[in-house]
Amino acid sequence: DAGVTQSPTHLIKTRGQQVTLRCSPKSGHDTVSWYQQALGQGPQFIFQYYEEEERQRGNFPDRFSGHQFPNYSSELNVNALLLGDSALYLCASSSSRMRGVRQPQHFGDGTRLSIL
Amino acid sequence: GDSVTQMEGPVTLSEEAFLTINCTYTATGYPSLFWYVQYPGEGLQLLLKATKADDKGSNKGFEATYRKETTSFHLEKGSVQVSDSAVYFCALSRYSSASKIIFGSGTRLSIRP
Repeated sequence: DAGVTQSPTHLIKTRGQQVTLRCSPKSGHDTVSWYQQALGQGPQFIFQYYEEEERQRGNFPDRFSGHQFPNYSSELNVNALLLGDSALYLCASSSSRMRGVRQPQHFGDGTRLSIL
Repeated sequence: GDSVTQMEGPVTLSEEAFLTINCTYTATGYPSLFWYVQYPGEGLQLLLKATKADDKGSNKGFEATYRKETTSFHLEKGSVQVSDSAVYFCALSRYSSASKIIFGSGTRLSIRP
């Protein structure tokens, strides 16, 4: 049973470019959340997708956008990259069919994005 | 808004020492509380959780008790091992497993043999 998988594992971009990160949720999960973890900091919630729609959003600018596909996989897009976007981007999945917190969110190993 | 404050690191201990990492939170109502662990080069793993006041979460020798009166969720372990070296994050979530998680800034723990 595959867990949450993210690709690529590492990525180097320059300022002003655009990037797309990908996430496949754990089998049986239908909800995907994205987090940004800057070096030495805790993860910060970016947004969450369910039923192919953005359901919740954290305090991130519109340069950050996402998408969820019918197979529940998700993409995170960042436009006009800034040096400050350098971070580890984590994807987490969960199931809307499992109520309560007995079934916690499962995290992938992340994509390390470096902006030059 | 909701927030989590945890003990700043790094924390360095000798093997078999007693560990405490302090965590306090700010939130209205009764959030669920978590400790996550991040090993080098890896994502986050849930270490333990507590969903209501006075609950004790435990796993792999680690324990934390949900203290509503002091809004705290301190992580403890009686005898640490070198393999416990990692970054530990205290976190909260408001409603369900699908709700966003709010994390503290993390505490790096290093254990000397």
